[in-house]
Amino acid sequence: QVQLQESGPGLVKPSETLSLTCTVSGGSISSYYWNWIRQPPGKGLEWIGYIFYSGSTNYNPSLRSRVTIAVDTSKNQFSLKLSSVTAADTAVYYCARFGGYYKYYYIDVWGKGTTVTVSS
Amino acid sequence: EIVLTQSPGTLSLSPGERATLSCRASQSVTSIYLTWFQQKPGQAPRLLIYGASSRATGIPDRFSGSGSGTDFTLTISRLEPEDFAVYYCQHYGSSPGITFGQGTRLEVK
Repeated sequence: QVQLQESGPGLVKPSETLSLTCTVSGGSISSYYWNWIRQPPGKGLEWIGYIFYSGSTNYNPSLRSRVTIAVDTSKNQFSLKLSSVTAADTAVYYCARFGGYYKYYYIDVWGKGTTVTVSS
Repeated sequence: EIVLTQSPGTLSLSPGERATLSCRASQSVTSIYLTWFQQKPGQAPRLLIYGASSRATGIPDRFSGSGSGTDFTLTISRLEPEDFAVYYCQHYGSSPGITFGQGTRLEVK
């Protein structure tokens, strides 16, 4: 079955750019929406944005000015860049698959998550 | 922008009891895009219910979802020890895309 694995630095300095990659294994990156979702310590889930395999994107308005999500279909990967980070961006970052099944649309596969701490 | 409000924030119950969790949308939403997740400490969320009322593969039938319009409910008919966790509702729409409720923590009384 499809598995997702996040990778990237666990520590980022304030004002720098957070960069993460999600590798999709066991299936194709085609025909789905690929999401980044984060969870600050002790808090709830926050959707960051998604990219369709064709490259179209949709971002959370509260983060739009700082977020870029890209896809590399040749590597079955998609990535997140979040610029000008502050301590408030410290969180567990999840990648997740969102797809349409008959008339339904839902997130059905999640990565295990990776912790990113913003600190000098 | 749709806001999902979950209640209660924390629900304290005993194994064997019935749990009723609420998710209210700030405006009417399409129920086929309403999803429920369960999250345990240190784990990624797990899909429970999609389309407001359809159980995901492998989810026990003690979990059920209902509702339409602005009011949705997740019911766990008889709580098992492994059901104590945090539950999130989530909606997919055109703007801003994906929205989560703030979560309901289901704890052992």
